[in-house]
Amino acid sequence: GAVVSQHPSWVICKSGTSVKIECRSLDFQATTMFWYRQFPKQSLMLMATSNEGSKATYEQGVEKDKFLINHASLTLSTLTVTSAHPEDSSFYICSARRGQPNQPQHFGDGTRLSIL
Amino acid sequence: QQQVKQSPQSLIVQKGGISIINCAYENTAFDYFPWYQQFPGKGPALLIAIRPDVSEKKEGRFTISFNKSAKQFSLHIMDSQPGDSATYFCAASVPPGGFKTIFGAGTRLFVKA
Repeated sequence: GAVVSQHPSWVICKSGTSVKIECRSLDFQATTMFWYRQFPKQSLMLMATSNEGSKATYEQGVEKDKFLINHASLTLSTLTVTSAHPEDSSFYICSARRGQPNQPQHFGDGTRLSIL
Repeated sequence: QQQVKQSPQSLIVQKGGISIINCAYENTAFDYFPWYQQFPGKGPALLIAIRPDVSEKKEGRFTISFNKSAKQFSLHIMDSQPGDSATYFCAASVPPGGFKTIFGAGTRLFVKA
């Protein structure tokens, strides 16, 4: 159990376009979902935390208008990178957690975003 | 105070050997310490986790040793195999409520056949 599906796994698009990444918990209800960004050979950098039905909480330095997060249901969260530019190219990973806060996070397989 | 310091940055171990990765923290209020394994191009997968009221937890070839007084914890991989070659992240959950997980910098493990 505790499977998190992330889609798409890889996307290439032109500068200026918006890209939506989906994160779904397939076999559990995720009260909290997290979005991370990971640069090559580096650790995971938390971008934002979202609870179902609430506005996302963004980490310091993360542009809210740039990275739109929606957590409309207990099984789906989306990250939209608006007006993407080459510097937004990165590996984006979501995770989901159910129930009590001290439960483990379960990660998706990530989305590699390349902006040309 | 919210950092988790992980070492070494990279590790090369012979097949059958023991891989040891260490982590240290400062915030004594951390109350959940997971280890994640990440293969290239994939998301991290939970490997094993421990809470501070336990000094050791073992699952198969993987063991976490936890030293609360020293504020350190480590991952031991016994009988290391080439398939264990991956990046390992230690982490700690931030109270109250463990809303965030703070990750260490990661250790790239390579097990030589």
